Amino acid sequence: RKEVEQDPGPFNVPEGATVAFNCTYSNSASQSFFWYRQDCRKEPKLLMSVYSSGNEDGRFTAQLNRASQYISLLIRDSKLSDSATYLCVVNPDDKIIFGKGTRLHILP
Amino acid sequence: ETGVTQSPTHLIKTRGQQVTLRCSSQSGHNTVSWYQQALGQGPQFIFQYYREEENGRGNFPPRFSGLQFPNYSSELNVNALELDDSALYLCASSPGGASYGYTFGSGTRLTVV
Repeated sequence: RKEVEQDPGPFNVPEGATVAFNCTYSNSASQSFFWYRQDCRKEPKLLMSVYSSGNEDGRFTAQLNRASQYISLLIRDSKLSDSATYLCVVNPDDKIIFGKGTRLHILP
Repeated sequence: ETGVTQSPTHLIKTRGQQVTLRCSSQSGHNTVSWYQQALGQGPQFIFQYYREEENGRGNFPPRFSGLQFPNYSSELNVNALELDDSALYLCASSPGGASYGYTFGSGTRLTVV
């Protein structure tokens, strides 16, 4: 089993729709969890941390399920500018593990 | 506030050569990590430095080595370059370790021919 797994997509979603990403991780000792977004040929940018109680930042909601070892990201009222690759990041022990990312295309 | 800067932006090397990539961390950040990103893949963790000590390493061979300096800037050295080392190399810094999340530089595109 890979350390961090994501659906590679692409997800093609009409503007205004809600889209959800899931990510599973294998190391139950993982302590920190994040979502990053990466635009084409750019560096990753931190979107949000993921906390055990779940957290929200505007149109974005992140959740963590430690028992099932997955994290999720929900984007509501999607915008054209949300088109990017979304990377799940897990921090087990002294490593930082990225998923391969899920590509999102928002369609006008 | 100055972000993370990397140099050079692009580099072409010959197989078997050695390369040094440089990174200046964001002001106030004492932790730096390095990643290799191949096209269409997520970044692969190489190693992390905290206060000049390596405190985490991914699955990369010993020919990938690094340094962190007292001003928290960092270098990535790769010896005996192979064609598969061609990738985008990303540096990222954090104010206190992985739990704070990282700020990334724009990367160095290395091509090995």
